[in-house]
Amino acid sequence: LAKTTQPISMDSYEGQEVNITCSHNNIATNDYITWYQQFPSQGPRFIIQGYKTKVTNEVASLFIPADRKSSTLSLPRVSLSDTAVYYCLVGPMNRDDKIIFGKGTRLHILP
Amino acid sequence: DVKVTQSSRYLVKRTGEKVFLECVQDMDHENMFWYRQDPGLGLRLIYFSYDVKMKEKGDIPEGYSVSREKKERFSLILESASTNQTSMYLCASSPDRNSYEQYFGPGTRLTVT
Repeated sequence: LAKTTQPISMDSYEGQEVNITCSHNNIATNDYITWYQQFPSQGPRFIIQGYKTKVTNEVASLFIPADRKSSTLSLPRVSLSDTAVYYCLVGPMNRDDKIIFGKGTRLHILP
Repeated sequence: DVKVTQSSRYLVKRTGEKVFLECVQDMDHENMFWYRQDPGLGLRLIYFSYDVKMKEKGDIPEGYSVSREKKERFSLILESASTNQTSMYLCASSPDRNSYEQYFGPGTRLTVT
């Protein structure tokens, strides 16, 4: 499983767009990038997954540059309820390895 | 919506007790997982199961066992609880063995005194 590096914490304000970047320099050709969100006192929740370029859903967008050595999770117009820990995971779909969660990025939204 | 439920949100047990943590999912998923989450250590995989009566060790299986008698139910057993097993325990299920899309339960905060 490719090692990932994320900021430990970030602060932002309500209404802002928040971008969380994950570095994965040794990503393999068949690796996908997956992001999870975890609210306090809850289990993690899958939010988005991608392989290249851009993926968008109702919660977030995921931007992946051509070299795929990093990815950016973008949360549009955040609210206080987006305060959570965000985990970036990288690995192949056809895998026998286990999912490994890193320490994630603690996002704190301020009023 | 996929629903993963865990038998208790909070549990307090004494050292040496046998502890059962139950997890049930309602989406007919074949794959189920048990994690523990500790501050500064993130989520760590204890055991997982890809089928009924099948189990595989994760990263930290010592002191734990599991049981999967029915597809929807995956139990984590602490044979003799110790204080270092005080933690948040999270169960998850997944429709596809190769998928990174796991559905988590709300967690059980276990305190061993």
